[in-house]
Amino acid sequence: GEDVEQSLFLSVREGDSSVINCTYTDSSSTYLYWYKQEPGAGLQLLTYIFSNMDMKQDQRLTVLLNKKDKHLSLRIADTQTGDSAIYFCAESYNNNDMRFGAGTRLTVKP
Amino acid sequence: GAVVSQHPSWVICKSGTSVKIECRSLDFQATTMFWYRQFPKQSLMLMATSNEGSKATYEQGVEKDKFLINHASLTLSTLTVTSAHPEDSSFYICSAHSSLNYHQPQHFGDGTRLSIL
Repeated sequence: GEDVEQSLFLSVREGDSSVINCTYTDSSSTYLYWYKQEPGAGLQLLTYIFSNMDMKQDQRLTVLLNKKDKHLSLRIADTQTGDSAIYFCAESYNNNDMRFGAGTRLTVKP
Repeated sequence: GAVVSQHPSWVICKSGTSVKIECRSLDFQATTMFWYRQFPKQSLMLMATSNEGSKATYEQGVEKDKFLINHASLTLSTLTVTSAHPEDSSFYICSAHSSLNYHQPQHFGDGTRLSIL
């Protein structure tokens, strides 16, 4: 089946930038998403990008998409301790059938 | 932004009990709702997809008689775990999507932690 892969752990110091990477295999993916999950909570949509876009920026968040390499990244500028969470990459063709990565646990050290 | 409310947030009950979880879209009409299960430190696993007024479509390996899904209105879907046993203990998350806003992503509830003793 089609896969979404991301590294499991990332540790950064407060104030640094965090970059979380994701690769996917389905070339028909139209929507690519980043969700944040804090302990015991549901998924919070951070941002999403259409496959015909290369980049999307929203305040401290920058999403880069390399469609040729099927590579998606999320950069968090000026990372804060409150950014510590699990970040899920996901993709979909139609906003219905979604495939999630395993999640990257971001730890921000003071 | 779109809000999805899930209730209850935490349930602890005895083995053999049936448990109902509600998922409501508060400010939009959810033509499709999804139910996911998440084991500790793992990703989300889609259990079933329900379209308003239709029978739910279950993923392979998910027992439809065990996990009853009802989506009778455009704002409410329920998941009932029948005769729950300890192996059903998990974190259950719903999400909702509107075909009227096709390009909008799914919005997720805050999840229900189910613990069966």
